[in-house]
Amino acid sequence: AQKVTQAQTEISVVEKEDVTLDCVYETRDTTYYLFWYKQPPSGELVFLIRRNSFDEQNEISGRYSWNFQKSTSSFNFTITASQVVDSAVYFCALTWANNLFFGTGTRLTVIP
Amino acid sequence: GAVVSQHPSWVICKSGTSVKIECRSLDFQATTMFWYRQFPKQSLMLMATSNEGSKATYEQGVEKDKFLINHASLTLSTLTVTSAHPEDSSFYICSARSFRLAGYNEQFFGPGTRLTVL
Repeated sequence: AQKVTQAQTEISVVEKEDVTLDCVYETRDTTYYLFWYKQPPSGELVFLIRRNSFDEQNEISGRYSWNFQKSTSSFNFTITASQVVDSAVYFCALTWANNLFFGTGTRLTVIP
Repeated sequence: GAVVSQHPSWVICKSGTSVKIECRSLDFQATTMFWYRQFPKQSLMLMATSNEGSKATYEQGVEKDKFLINHASLTLSTLTVTSAHPEDSSFYICSARSFRLAGYNEQFFGPGTRLTVL
C-alpha cells in the first residue's frame, strides 16, 4: 500500500532559523515520483519540487533544499534562514496509480 | 504556462440547494482532471478522476449521485454538489493533467473553491 507520513504536524521557528520538514513514504512501485507543495493561508497549492525515484541527487533552490534517500524512503525538505513568508502548510506527496497521494501536511509557523 | 482556474473562488449557499464549481485549464488541454476535498486542517483527499468524454471514477466513500462530475471538454470539468448540506462545507480543489505537457506524473492545481453550506 502507498503511504506518506509527515510526522511533524506543527513546527514553529524563529525567523532566520533553519527548519527541516520530514517526509517518509511507502510504496511497492519501483518507479514513482515524490512532490512537495506549499499551501499558504490563501489555500492555493504551490508546487515546489518533483523528484523521480531514479534520481537521488539532492537539490537546492535558493533557500530550499531537498534530501532524497531511497534507503530510508525519505524525502526531507529544508528551509534555510526561514522567513515569515514561509509560514504555510507543506505537503509531501507520492504518485500512486497515476494519481497523487498526499501526506497529512506540516504546518510551519515562522515567528518574526 | 499550465494554469488552472476555478470558479467561483468561494460560495455560500443554503442547505438543500445545488452548487456548481468549474475547473478550467487555461493554456493547455487536460486529458484528465481530478477533484479533491480538503476539510479544515486536513490533507487533500481525492474525490474523483475524470477523463474527457467519459464517466468519472469516484473514490471509495464518495457518493457519485451527490457529487456530479462532468468533463465535457479538454479544458473544462465541473463538480456539482447536489442538495448540499452543512457537512459538505469544505475546500474543493481541482487539478488537471496533460500527458503531452508533463507526462502522467504531474498535476496542475487550481486555486480552490471554498464552499460554505448554511
